Amino acid sequence: GQQVMQIPQYQHVQEGEDFTTYCNSSTTLSNIQWYKQRPGGHPVFLIQLVKSGEVKKQKRLTFQFGEAKKNSSLHITATQTTDVGTYFCAGPGVSYNTDKLIFGTGTRLQVFP
Amino acid sequence: EADIYQTPRYLVIGTGKKITLECSQTMGHDKMYWYQQDPGMELHLIHYSYGVNSTEKGDLSSESTVSRIRTEHFPLTLESARPSHTSQYLCASSEFGGAYGYTFGSGTRLTVV
Repeated sequence: GQQVMQIPQYQHVQEGEDFTTYCNSSTTLSNIQWYKQRPGGHPVFLIQLVKSGEVKKQKRLTFQFGEAKKNSSLHITATQTTDVGTYFCAGPGVSYNTDKLIFGTGTRLQVFP
Repeated sequence: EADIYQTPRYLVIGTGKKITLECSQTMGHDKMYWYQQDPGMELHLIHYSYGVNSTEKGDLSSESTVSRIRTEHFPLTLESARPSHTSQYLCASSEFGGAYGYTFGSGTRLTVV
């Protein structure tokens, strides 16, 4: 079945260091979405990428969609303690049912002050 | 303010009890979803609905059932709770399904003792 994998599973960084998480899908995606879940919280939608090779920025966060639309990355510049949480990528299901989102395995980010 | 609400936030219940987790949204979204998530782990889709009187099982087998009698309401029921049901249950809604982002509720943390 369709799978969405993320690496790394965990990342511990010193405040001020950069962070990158990578997302890889077993199938081509019509779009890729990114969510952030704070510890004890619920996933919050961050952004959606649709076009092949698309790059979008939100302040210190840079999101990229691969040319083949099967992978994506999230890069955080100069991490802050407020960046702590788990970052999930997600893509629509394939074939007849694109209304479901398949979530990636997530990358848990810990930032030490 | 448009939002999605889940109650209860926390629930500890004995084995064999019947429970209903409530989910309501005020955004008028047709598409609603239930995900199960163990702490720090990925989200697994257990049920979804495209509108009133429409419900489907998700990718993860679940002993729970759902109903969709009103657009705004999508409750999840466990007829006989077991310790293996201990998890966080997240409800989400979307106007466009997988084509755009989901809005998640705060979740219900269920513990079955």
